Amino acid sequence: DSGVTQTPKHLITATGQRVTLRCSPRSGDLSVYWYQQSLDQGLQFLIQYYNGEERAKGNILERFSAQQFPDLHSELNLSSLELGDSALYFCASSGGQPAELFFGEGSRLTVL
Amino acid sequence: ILNVEQSPQSLHVQEGDSTNFTCSFPSSNFYALHWYRWETAKSPEALFVMTLNGDEKKKGRISATLNTKEGYSYLYIKGSQPEDSATYLCAFPWGTASKLTFGTGTRLQVTL
Repeated sequence: DSGVTQTPKHLITATGQRVTLRCSPRSGDLSVYWYQQSLDQGLQFLIQYYNGEERAKGNILERFSAQQFPDLHSELNLSSLELGDSALYFCASSGGQPAELFFGEGSRLTVL
Repeated sequence: ILNVEQSPQSLHVQEGDSTNFTCSFPSSNFYALHWYRWETAKSPEALFVMTLNGDEKKKGRISATLNTKEGYSYLYIKGSQPEDSATYLCAFPWGTASKLTFGTGTRLQVTL
């Protein structure tokens, strides 16, 4: 158990819909990262937050947004969903840099 | 575009064999190099975070070396066991220390 909690574990929805994925980092970790793993693709960096502020952005679509709240949990919002958004979305947290990342179990999103 | 290249893409060895993989990364503006192990149906788990040229780290039968001047790191597994079967990922911070970019991994299968 990494100490990082992601919900929901599985989510099935339709195209055009909006979903929110939630992540609770390890106790004491201030950094939260979001990654996407699509079929046959590696881990693609989406975005990182540190203590409530956005620190780095990857190839995150404009339809996607994220935030980190004062209690340090983070949410990834995916809107106007398309079939291609079906993927495994991982959240990871770390206590600093260059500290290792601790990954949650992922949220598997299926868009039908 | 950052290139974090890993080779080989996949590897199939027998129990007891020793093996090694390579991770290549840009040698300029080095900050850190991460190695992760990712078992099927699980989440990636950190093996090492390396920061110094010439660094060598070891965890049980797994060890890693780092050459920041030429931009490569080797991961070694001594006496492979079936439980070592996993995808081994390296990751490199790109642009900022926050944007941790993963390679596509080396998939290792160890058979009896």
